[in-house]
Amino acid sequence: NAGVTQTPKFQVLKTGQSMTLQCAQDMNHNSMYWYRQDPGMGLRLIYYSASEGTTDKGEVPNGYNVSRLNKREFSLRLESAAPSQTSVYFCASKGESGGSNEKLFFGSGTQLSVL
Amino acid sequence: AQKVTQAQTEISVVEKEDVTLDCVYETRDTTYYLFWYKQPPSGELVFLIRRNSFDEQNEISGRYSWNFQKSTSSFNFTITASQVVDSAVYFCALHSGTYKYIFGTGTRLKVLA
Repeated sequence: NAGVTQTPKFQVLKTGQSMTLQCAQDMNHNSMYWYRQDPGMGLRLIYYSASEGTTDKGEVPNGYNVSRLNKREFSLRLESAAPSQTSVYFCASKGESGGSNEKLFFGSGTQLSVL
Repeated sequence: AQKVTQAQTEISVVEKEDVTLDCVYETRDTTYYLFWYKQPPSGELVFLIRRNSFDEQNEISGRYSWNFQKSTSSFNFTITASQVVDSAVYFCALHSGTYKYIFGTGTRLKVLA
């Protein structure tokens, strides 16, 4: 049982380049999330998907797009990377509501540097 | 508005000392969940505890304990007899009303040998 898998683990981009961060979960969770982590700012929500076919903006969506490809996969795309997008990105999925697993399960993170 | 405040940016203690990490939250919802996550130097986020708004019982798990007080909107985390392996960034989080989980800015704990 892999849980939440993110790829790649590390990436260096030049300003203006595009890339997609991939995330997949094998726990049959409905809700999935993308967060970014910056020093002193904690985890900030970029986008989330409450269920397959729906996506919503979080706190810091500018410069990003997302796709909920199917129930398992939720990708994050940077169309034109900027140095301000240098960060650690975490994907997460939420366990079933009402149960003891109603919490976020996180991937291992992607460290992205934009030069 | 929902908000989580972790006012302690960084705490240093000597091994075997007790340490308390503070978490203050804001929400207008009557039903909500509070969480603590640990992020060790390796970077992954590890779930520690979930508490719902209707359960104000304190919880103890080994050297870890949590004090939930609705009257002060606080959910504090105490590590007893700290160890070097406790060195990490600790995040408090709030979930209420929507699908969103709101995180605090984290507290970096350094336990010195």
